[in-house]
Amino acid sequence: DIQMTQSPSSLSASVGDRVTITCRTSQSISNYLNWYQQKPGKAPNLLIYGASSLQSGVPSRFSGSGSGTDFTLTISSLQPEDFATYYCQQGYSTPYTFGQGTKVEIK
Amino acid sequence: QVQLVQSGAEVKKPGASVKVSCKASGYTFTGYYIHWMRQAPGQGLDWMGWINPNNGGTNYAQKFQGRVTMTGDTSISTAYMDLSRLRSDDTAVYYCARVSGNSKWYEDFDYWGQGTLVTVSS
Repeated sequence: DIQMTQSPSSLSASVGDRVTITCRTSQSISNYLNWYQQKPGKAPNLLIYGASSLQSGVPSRFSGSGSGTDFTLTISSLQPEDFATYYCQQGYSTPYTFGQGTKVEIK
Repeated sequence: QVQLVQSGAEVKKPGASVKVSCKASGYTFTGYYIHWMRQAPGQGLDWMGWINPNNGGTNYAQKFQGRVTMTGDTSISTAYMDLSRLRSDDTAVYYCARVSGNSKWYEDFDYWGQGTLVTVSS
């Protein structure tokens, strides 16, 4: 199975901050990497697919980059509605594994 | 609009089985794979497998092999996930999700059900 390691596991930030979350995989997955946002009590919401493509309807302050084993999700200017938990997910091979999550909290 | 609506919460005893449904609307049910994930309380997401509603083909995660069965009923656009021999550590929210039409490669999930809480307790 492909192991996913996200860092940090949590962070505190202020509105307007630039936030970066990292996801590392245990083997190369090309660009088969997706990012989700999850709010408490809700299902995950797709933000980025194919490592860097913005899902329709997602604000442009979200961006993704990376290839191979190292990937990054960036929020360019954190908004109040962005406080949530973020997960990476590999779609390279089954089982399709997820990172353990990064909780973004209000400073 | 695309929607996936799941069945309601369940409470089961250890050793029992549970069947969760996922009714699709707003798109052609047979055109998109349905995946199932689960999330234990306070934990991350765990992929369980997929079903191809067009032909009933399935692929299960090794850890659930022998306990999980995924089926579909195209006449009512509904997918099902059946988990047997339940244990206390199967307590989780179970989600169905549709693979997006963004690409046939990335296995990204663009629409999710609202989740079904399954509690396993004696």
